[in-house]
Amino acid sequence: QVYLVESGGGVVQPGTSLRLSCAASGFTFTSYAMHWVRQAPGKGLEWVAVISHDGRDKYYGDSVKGRFTISRDKFTKTVSLQMRSLRVEDTAVYYCGRAPWPFFDWLSPVDYWGQGSLVTVGS
Amino acid sequence: EIVLTQSPGTLSLSPGERATLSCRASQSVSSNYLAWYQQKPGQAPRFIIYGASSRATGIPDRFSGRGSGTDFTLTISRLEPEDFAVYYCQQYGRTPLTFGGGTKVEIK
Repeated sequence: QVYLVESGGGVVQPGTSLRLSCAASGFTFTSYAMHWVRQAPGKGLEWVAVISHDGRDKYYGDSVKGRFTISRDKFTKTVSLQMRSLRVEDTAVYYCGRAPWPFFDWLSPVDYWGQGSLVTVGS
Repeated sequence: EIVLTQSPGTLSLSPGERATLSCRASQSVSSNYLAWYQQKPGQAPRFIIYGASSRATGIPDRFSGRGSGTDFTLTISRLEPEDFAVYYCQQYGRTPLTFGGGTKVEIK
């Protein structure tokens, strides 16, 4: 059974940083690309970032490019999202997700999703 | 970036009726890399369709997708009570990946 569990959310001030983590289990972690997707309160889904199965390729949404960094650790089976220069508009539930097919590239949908971690940026 | 426009915003139907949801892309979606998701309040999205027309594992056959290029459709042949939710399309053929704004299917 695939499990994805996000952690690290919370309330932060604008301009500060926060790091989200996603612990993966139930599948061969090093074989799958991983995504982050967010959802602002009452709004739709917004794709944030993807990292290839081997960590070599990373792509970002336009609204977070240059501020957020995705990474992965094959030893701890964790994918992380380092968020810097946070803005009020970054307030959202952040979901970690897995690509459906092993060794497929980063152009993939998300088949398994975590339950999300809420990040609130506000004074 | 490819902008996806979903219509209608809300669809009011009764159980047993047919639902037809539209997703239109601002540019052609490469290789028909178009997915659909279902989301219920307080839950993570559920993966339904990939490649415009292939059902994900465990998805009942009342869900079907079709389309190519810039115009895509999700059809639910006979709505079950558990199908009332918000549906999102997503293109994954080009970065940045993008989602549509969603269509809410509500009970009439």
